[in-house]
Amino acid sequence: GEDVEQSLFLSVREGDSSVINCTYTDSSSTYLYWYKQEPGAGLQLLTYIFSNMDMKQDQRLTVLLNKKDKHLSLRIADTQTGDSAIYFCAETVNSGYSTLTFGKGTMLLVSP
Amino acid sequence: DTEVTQTPKHLVMGMTNKKSLKCEQHMGHRAMYWYKQKAKKPPELMFVYSYEKLSINESVPSRFSPECPNSSLLNLHLHALQPEDSALYLCASSQGLSSYEQYFGPGTRLTVT
Repeated sequence: GEDVEQSLFLSVREGDSSVINCTYTDSSSTYLYWYKQEPGAGLQLLTYIFSNMDMKQDQRLTVLLNKKDKHLSLRIADTQTGDSAIYFCAETVNSGYSTLTFGKGTMLLVSP
Repeated sequence: DTEVTQTPKHLVMGMTNKKSLKCEQHMGHRAMYWYKQKAKKPPELMFVYSYEKLSINESVPSRFSPECPNSSLLNLHLHALQPEDSALYLCASSQGLSSYEQYFGPGTRLTVT
C-alpha cells in the first residue's frame, strides 16, 4: 500500500540550511513532490523529481532521492524567515491517475 | 499563469443550509480536483473530474455534491453538513489525469455551526 512518512517539526536559524526528510513505501512511485503550505493558504508546488533521477537542484532547493532506501529529502539553502511553513512530501504511482498521496507534513520554523 | 482561484475565502453555514464552493482556472487544464484538509493534517482527495466527467469519488458522503459545468469551473454543493465537515476545502487542477503537476487554489475555510 501507499504510505508516506515525514518528521513533524524542524527548527533552524535564519541563514542555516534546512533538510526535510521523507520516506515512502510504494516502489512503483513515479513522481515525488514537495509542496509548501503557509498558514491559512493553499499548497504551492515547490519542486518534483521523477523516480529515475537521484538529484534535482532549483535555486536554493535541492532534492535528493535514494530509490533503494525509498528516501526523499529537500534541502533549503540559506533558509529565510519567509520559508517558515509546512512542507508536504507527496507521491504519485503509476496507476494511470496522478492522484497524490501526501505525508503528514513537516512544520519548518525559521528563527531570526 | 498558474493560478487557481476559489470563492468564497471563508464560509460559515448552519447544518440546514445549502451553499456552494466555487473554483476556477484558466490554464486550459482538463483535470480538476477537490480536497478536504483538516487542521494539522494533509489534504485528502474527495473528487476528480476529467474532461468535465467525474472520474474518482473517494467514497464521499452525498451531502457533498460536485459539479463541473465547463472545463474552467468546478463547484462543490453543500447540503445538511455536520460540524465535523468544518475544514479547508482545496481545489486543484492539472493538464490531464496523468499530468504530474497539480496546482492548488488558496482554499475555502468552511465552518459548520
